[in-house]
Parts: sequence; structure tokens; C-alpha cells
Amino acid sequence: QKEVEQNSGPLSVPEGAIASLNCTYSDRGSQSFFWYRQYSGKSPELIMFIYSNGDKEDGRFTAQLNKASQYVSLLIRDSQPSDSATYLCAVNSNTGNQFYFGTGTSLTVIP
Amino acid sequence: SAVISQKPSRDICQRGTSLTIQCQVDSQVTMMFWYRQQPGQSLTLIATANQGSEATYESGFVIDKFPISRPNLTFSTLTVSNMSPEDSSIYLCSVTGGGADTQYFGPGTRLTVL
Repeated sequence: QKEVEQNSGPLSVPEGAIASLNCTYSDRGSQSFFWYRQYSGKSPELIMFIYSNGDKEDGRFTAQLNKASQYVSLLIRDSQPSDSATYLCAVNSNTGNQFYFGTGTSLTVIP
Repeated sequence: SAVISQKPSRDICQRGTSLTIQCQVDSQVTMMFWYRQQPGQSLTLIATANQGSEATYESGFVIDKFPISRPNLTFSTLTVSNMSPEDSSIYLCSVTGGGADTQYFGPGTRLTVL
């Protein structure tokens, strides 16, 4: 069983719509959860991190965490073509020393 | 967050040769990590490099193939030894910083082995 699982997509949404990206993880003791954006040919860029159950909002981005269901999601409101990228979910191990990355979800925002 | 640079940004190498990748950070950091990202795939951790101790390698990665140095708190190198075309990949260094355990990535080194 993979530590972190994401739907690889591709996910296509029209400009202005809400994009919803989902991630599940296997280690129930995980404490920290991260979303990275990676443009083609570039390195991953941190978008958000979340530690507590519930929602965390930052501009057009909202991270949602449900530890009971071992589920973390990222919502992108008012999606823009510049949001087109691969989004990586990462979970910090229970020991706090290692990140586990999902395989990423490719998002395309259609103008 | 820390500013991270890597050298070289890309290289094309012949089979059987070795390449050393440098990672420089603009502030002192305790933990540095080396990842590999093969085409179309996610990130795979190669090893964790802490200053003053031997690097810790993940399953499937060995020191003879990927020797790592960490001479101080701002610098590390990863060598890809005796390269084969299967080593063609993007190699990324990262550091923890900012909020607790958050990782930030360098720009990466794109390696092609012929």
C-alpha cells in the first residue's frame, strides 16, 4: 500500500471554476500535510501546509484535512490558466523526519 | 524560506562516468535531503544528509552509487557514480525551514545519460 495516494488525473476545469484535488494517506499517526505545485520542468513549490483538522484558507487556495478519514484535499477557487500544473500531496511521517509524496495530479485550467 | 541553488542546472553525460551535483543554501540548515524525480513520476527520496554524520540512505539507494558529502550547514553534494541511462532524471535537494518541518526545494539538476 502506498503511503500517499492521489488521483493522477488529468483533471480539467474551465477558467473561473473550482478545482478539487484529493489525497489519502496510510499512516494514521502523520501530523503534517503539504501541497506543492510543480510546473513542467520546474521544482516543486510549496503552496500550503496544514496540521489541524478542518479548513485552512490562503487566498484562492483552501486545504482541508480530515484525520479520521486520513484524507486531505486542496480547493482552488476561481481557477486560472496559470494554475495549470501538477499538484503534489506530501505527508510527514510519524517520526517527523521523512516526507512521503503522492504521484501528483495534473491540472489543466481551460481558458 | 531559504534560497537554494544547485549546480549544474543540467548536464548530458556518458555512460560509466560520474557527476557531482552541488546544493548551496543561503542560511544554516540542519537537515538536507536529496530526491530523484524520473520522467513523469513523483519524487523519490535518495538520502538525508545531516552535517557531521553519515548520510542516511533509503531502500534501493546505496552509498557506492550515490555518495553524499555534507561538510557544513549550508552545503551538500550528491555524486551519481558509474552512470547508466536509467540514472537520467531530475535530482533535487531540499531543506527544512520556515514552519517546523516544511521542506523547500532547490531548482533541480536535469541529468541525461547517453
